[in-house]
Amino acid sequence: SAVISQKPSRDICQRGTSLTIQCQVDSQVTMMFWYRQQPGQSLTLIATANQGSEATYESGFVIDKFPISRPNLTFSTLTVSNMSPEDSSIYLCSVVVGTYEQYFGPGTRLTVT
Amino acid sequence: TQLLEQSPQFLSIQEGENLTVYCNSSSVFSSLQWYRQEPGEGPVLLVTVVTGGEVKKLKRLTFQFGDARKDSSLHITAAQPGDTGLYLCAGPPYSTLTFGKGTMLLVSP
Repeated sequence: SAVISQKPSRDICQRGTSLTIQCQVDSQVTMMFWYRQQPGQSLTLIATANQGSEATYESGFVIDKFPISRPNLTFSTLTVSNMSPEDSSIYLCSVVVGTYEQYFGPGTRLTVT
Repeated sequence: TQLLEQSPQFLSIQEGENLTVYCNSSSVFSSLQWYRQEPGEGPVLLVTVVTGGEVKKLKRLTFQFGDARKDSSLHITAAQPGDTGLYLCAGPPYSTLTFGKGTMLLVSP
């Protein structure tokens, strides 16, 4: 299994500012992902955080808006840049352990005013 | 993109009732996963089904993977308030999961 923590757990930010979300895992993992969950919606994959190389972004998400760092196998950050109210969501990091088991952090609830 | 359709979207029942929620797709999946997400938390993996026709039981929860590996169901027997949450199906596992929109289950005492 894996225990994942995220900081901050929630934040209220003003339009035009940026927020960096941290994800810490209690063990070394190869695969780490960032998801967004908009109010009342399911999870949408933003990107795969790759250690030692640039993140791999899904369609509709770009590095300038969501820069990601992965300095080692236990830590990653996601920055939400130049925020607008449409960025209000829950942001979740996840890791894969073994073949099938995917674990999620508790999420960061972001409100943009 | 492989799409997963979940039904119903919302279900409100009384404690002790039985229920079934469904996850359907027009695509074949190598396997499917079921998660439960409680308010303010991240999704928690309940089960992975990998073989067509497979049935897995987790206490009062029974998961079935369709023979054609295009659909799955989750049956809860004698639901309890602690079962309240958003139930999500996802597939395929490992790497980039595709999530259904979920079934929000509310079990009242």
